[in-house]
Amino acid sequence: ETGVTQSPTHLIKTRGQQVTLRCSSQSGHNTVSWYQQALGQGPQFIFQYYREEENGRGNFPPRFSGLQFPNYSSELNVNALELDDSALYLCASSLGRSGAYEQYFGPGTRLTVT
Amino acid sequence: QKEVEQDPGPLSVPEGAIVSLNCTYSNSAFQYFMWYRQYSRKGPELLMYTYSSGNKEDGRFTAQVDKSSKYISLFIRDSQPSDSATYLCAPGGSYIPTFGRGTSLIVHP
Repeated sequence: ETGVTQSPTHLIKTRGQQVTLRCSSQSGHNTVSWYQQALGQGPQFIFQYYREEENGRGNFPPRFSGLQFPNYSSELNVNALELDDSALYLCASSLGRSGAYEQYFGPGTRLTVT
Repeated sequence: QKEVEQDPGPLSVPEGAIVSLNCTYSNSAFQYFMWYRQYSRKGPELLMYTYSSGNKEDGRFTAQVDKSSKYISLFIRDSQPSDSATYLCAPGGSYIPTFGRGTSLIVHP
């Protein structure tokens, strides 16, 4: 069984640029959720994808967008980067929407915006 | 008032101590209660998952939920240096948990 993987591990971008983060879900899981974790804070829910459709969204602006592919891997795109976007971005996979309570996290992508 | 409140610590204890980690929440709709452990520079790892009020035990870990007072606890018996991490409580009512900011635990030999 393969766990959740994320790429890249670290990323440095300049304010105003765009970034794409990638996530491969755990084998057999069809739901992917994305979280933003600022330093010293808990993860904040960005959105969830279930079977390639957005299934819920947290309090994040439209410049945060995503995709889920037929193999259930996922991308998080952030446009017009701001300094406050610097954080650890976590992807979590689960089986089914209600299974988000038993979700498994990847190691995260640490994004630094300068 | 934040939906989930957690003392950030750090909480420092000697090896072998019983650790009590706590969390309060404000949303009475929360029915699912999770605890995650997060080591430095890693993603959170699911430790315990309970539904509604009551206790659940798993090895050295016991999760306790009191919905009447909106209070969640995690107890760790015989704590080990390898338990040093940040512990995140995460209650939820729909299908997305709401995370606390985490409590940093340090277990020293």
